[in-house]
Amino acid sequence: EAQVTQNPRYLITVTGKKLTVTCSQNMNHEYMSWYRQDPGLGLRQIYYSMNVEVTDKGDVPEGYKVSRKEKRNFPLILESPSPNQTSLYFCASSTGNEQFFGPGTRLTVL
Amino acid sequence: AQSVAQPEDQVNVAEGNPLTVKCTYSVSGNPYLFWYVQYPNRGLQFLLKYITGDNLVKGSYGFEAEFNKSQTSFHLKKPSALVSDSALYFCAVRDESGGYNKLIFGAGTRLAVHP
Repeated sequence: EAQVTQNPRYLITVTGKKLTVTCSQNMNHEYMSWYRQDPGLGLRQIYYSMNVEVTDKGDVPEGYKVSRKEKRNFPLILESPSPNQTSLYFCASSTGNEQFFGPGTRLTVL
Repeated sequence: AQSVAQPEDQVNVAEGNPLTVKCTYSVSGNPYLFWYVQYPNRGLQFLLKYITGDNLVKGSYGFEAEFNKSQTSFHLKKPSALVSDSALYFCAVRDESGGYNKLIFGAGTRLAVHP
C-alpha cells in the first residue's frame, strides 16, 4: 500500500531534550516536506527536500533541522525543543501535482 | 505574495442539503489549486485539484469545486451533504516560487453536518 508513515504519532517531551520525528514513504517520490498545523493558521511548511542531499527552508524553519540521506526517509530534528513548537506535524511526499500526507505527529513540549 | 483565504471558520449544514465551503486565492500567475480534508485524528486526504481545463472539477466522495478566475475563488461544493462529511477542510495553492513541492494553505474551515 502506498503510504507515508510517521513515528511517533504522539510525543510529550520537555524543553531542551533533543528529539527526532521519522518520516518514510514507499512511493519513490523525490519531493518531501514537513508542515506544522496550528489552529487558525492552517499548515505551514517547515522544510522541504527536492531529492537526496537537497533540502531547503520553508516558511517556518527556525528551531528545526532535517536530513535526506535516503530517498524514502526525511526525518525532522528538534535539537532543543521549546514550548512554542508544540504542534501537529505532518510529513508529505509529492508527485509534483499532488501531495500525500502522513498521519501526523502530535508533539507537546512542556 | 501568494495567499489563500477561507473566510468561514465553520460551516453548518443539515444532512441532505447542499454545502459550499469558500476559498479565495491570490497569485501572480496561473493558479494550481487544491482541496484537502482532515478527519479527526487523521492526516490530510486529497479531494481534488484544478490545474487547467474545465472550471468545474470533480473529486473524491462526491465533492466538486468551481474555479472562478474573475472572482479568484475556488469554492468546494457537494449537492447533498452527509453526516460523515463533517471534518476540517483546507484549500491550498501551489507556491510559484517554491516549486510544486510547496503548498500554501488556508486556515481551514470546519464543516459540521447535522442529522
